[in-house]
Amino acid sequence: AQKITQTQPGMFVQEKEAVTLDCTYDTSDPSYGLFWYKQPSSGEMIFLIYQGSYDQQNATEGRYSLNFQKARKSANLVISASQLGDSAMYFCAMREGFSQAGTALIFGKGTTLSVSS
Amino acid sequence: DAGVIQSPRHEVTEMGQEVTLRCKPISGHDYLFWYRQTMMRGLELLIYFNNNVPIDDSGMPEDRFSAKMPNASFSTLKIQPSEPRDSAVYFCASSLVRRLSETGAYNEQFFGPGTRLTVL
Repeated sequence: AQKITQTQPGMFVQEKEAVTLDCTYDTSDPSYGLFWYKQPSSGEMIFLIYQGSYDQQNATEGRYSLNFQKARKSANLVISASQLGDSAMYFCAMREGFSQAGTALIFGKGTTLSVSS
Repeated sequence: DAGVIQSPRHEVTEMGQEVTLRCKPISGHDYLFWYRQTMMRGLELLIYFNNNVPIDDSGMPEDRFSAKMPNASFSTLKIQPSEPRDSAVYFCASSLVRRLSETGAYNEQFFGPGTRLTVL
């Protein structure tokens, strides 16, 4: 079974609109962390936002927020006021177990976001 | 800070040749990860090190792949002999336990620009 599922291969949004990128995860570990990364066409991986499994509040970083619904095992990324520069591939990732802070990330397949003017 | 440095950025080689990919992590980071990205399989972990010691190499596809970290500032991923199915983008990432929240420590992994490998 996939640990991280991103069901939207591609999403389209107009500039200045908000967009939600879906991510569901599967783990039996009560301690885990969820990450979102952005990969523009240039290929680098850019860290966007992090959510811990015990965090009470949804994480926010500027225009990015994470809609964390623990019971549903979903960690959707919300981008407010989209910009042309947001066009990229977005990856959801999970790390299981806080005792292993250096454990590697498990990535989803990604969602391609296209922002138009 | 220069970030994670990888070389070469692009590598084209013929089947059967040895390929060596290089990575310099961010100074002070004590974890180093090698990932491979393909269209079919997405991003997969190959191996990771903590304080230069390999911790998990279960993602290394086969004996043709080997990775070393002789010191805290340098790591190599070697493929010998290379095959066309090894064609992919190989990323190196490094991290340090960044902060301790109520949920525990977490590590933000910083990725290098990747090496695009093509094996003909």
